[in-house]
Amino acid sequence: GQQVMQIPQYQHVQEGEDFTTYCNSSTTLSNIQWYKQRPGGHPVFLIQLVKSGEVKKQKRLTFQFGEAKKNSSLHITATQTTDVGTYFCAENTGTASKLTFGTGTRLQVTL
Amino acid sequence: DVKVTQSSRYLVKRTGEKVFLECVQDMDHENMFWYRQDPGLGLRLIYFSYDVKMKEKGDIPEGYSVSREKKERFSLILESASTNQTSMYLCASRTGRREQFFGPGTRLTVL
Repeated sequence: GQQVMQIPQYQHVQEGEDFTTYCNSSTTLSNIQWYKQRPGGHPVFLIQLVKSGEVKKQKRLTFQFGEAKKNSSLHITATQTTDVGTYFCAENTGTASKLTFGTGTRLQVTL
Repeated sequence: DVKVTQSSRYLVKRTGEKVFLECVQDMDHENMFWYRQDPGLGLRLIYFSYDVKMKEKGDIPEGYSVSREKKERFSLILESASTNQTSMYLCASRTGRREQFFGPGTRLTVL
């Protein structure tokens, strides 16, 4: 099946440092979604990117879709302890309404 | 607000038991999904349904079956539970290719 690779698997930062997670696909993506899962919680939708080269911001979070639509990134500026969790990218697969999730990046933030 | 509810947060069963996990959504979504989540393995799709009585296998359907008799309800069935099915089970729903909404999850332990 289609693979969506995410790196890194885990990152530990000090509060105030920046953080970036990358999502890479071997094929061209139709669109990409990002989700956040807090510890003990369930994944919650953050954003969807559709256009080549698209950049969207949500406060300290910046989402990018690559020009070739084969990769995406999520960048957090000046992390806070509330950013702790696992971030997943996900892409629509084929014609069905099925999402393929990346392996996730777990972010730990300490004071 | 979209609500996806799951019948239990925690469940303990014995090997060989038949287990039913129920999921209900209240937003008239045509698509519903069952995932299992294990440490280091991300979200793996077990089965999904795009309409009443319709189902498709996901990436790891072995040992599971599903039922969708009503649009709002999607059930996951473990015909004969085994210890390797101990996991967190997440239900989700969506319409089209829009954002996906997850339930709170059921942590199943099979002894």
